[in-house]
Amino acid sequence: EVQLLESGGGLVQPGGSLRLSCAASGFTFSNHAISWVRQAPGKGLEWVSSISTFGHFTYYADSVKGRFTISRDDSKSTLHLQLSSLRVEDTAVYYCAKTTYYDWDSWGQGTLVTVS
Amino acid sequence: EIVMTQSPATLSVSPGDRATLSCRASQSVSSNVAWYQQKPGQAPRLLIYGASTRATGIPARFSGSGSGTEFTLTISSLQSEDIAVYYCQQFNNWPIFTFGPGTKVDLK
Repeated sequence: EVQLLESGGGLVQPGGSLRLSCAASGFTFSNHAISWVRQAPGKGLEWVSSISTFGHFTYYADSVKGRFTISRDDSKSTLHLQLSSLRVEDTAVYYCAKTTYYDWDSWGQGTLVTVS
Repeated sequence: EIVMTQSPATLSVSPGDRATLSCRASQSVSSNVAWYQQKPGQAPRLLIYGASTRATGIPARFSGSGSGTEFTLTISSLQSEDIAVYYCQQFNNWPIFTFGPGTKVDLK
């Protein structure tokens, strides 16, 4: 069974930093791109960042470019998202999702980041 | 950037009735659209990919159609457990993904 488990969320002041992690199991992690998406309270889904297999390529939404950094550790089947220069508007539940060329077929349960 | 819009914002349906949800892309995305269901307090769940292919384990009452800029998700006979928010997502501009704002389905 595919499982994705996010961690690292919490309360942080504006301008602060946080590191999110996504631990994967049940599939060959290194063979898949992985993405982060966030959902502000009561709002819709917003794509944040994606990383290709082997970490060769990284992609970011304009809203987080230059502030967030995505990385992966295939030896530990773990994805990371380093959040820096946080703003109040970054407050959201952050999900990781296994990414293919046509769907995101498995999602974690999310971790809440509150910037206040 | 490809903008995805969804209508209606809220859809009230009686149990057993058909629900039709629409999704429109600002430019052609071929058949590269997925649909997700999100229940309160839960992560989204994949329903449909490639505009019309049901994901593993998804009941046959869910179907998707469309190509280009116009897409539809149909729930043929609404069940109480289908109450949720439904999102479309485009994959044509991989890996720059965009979601629609969602359609909330509730019981009439």
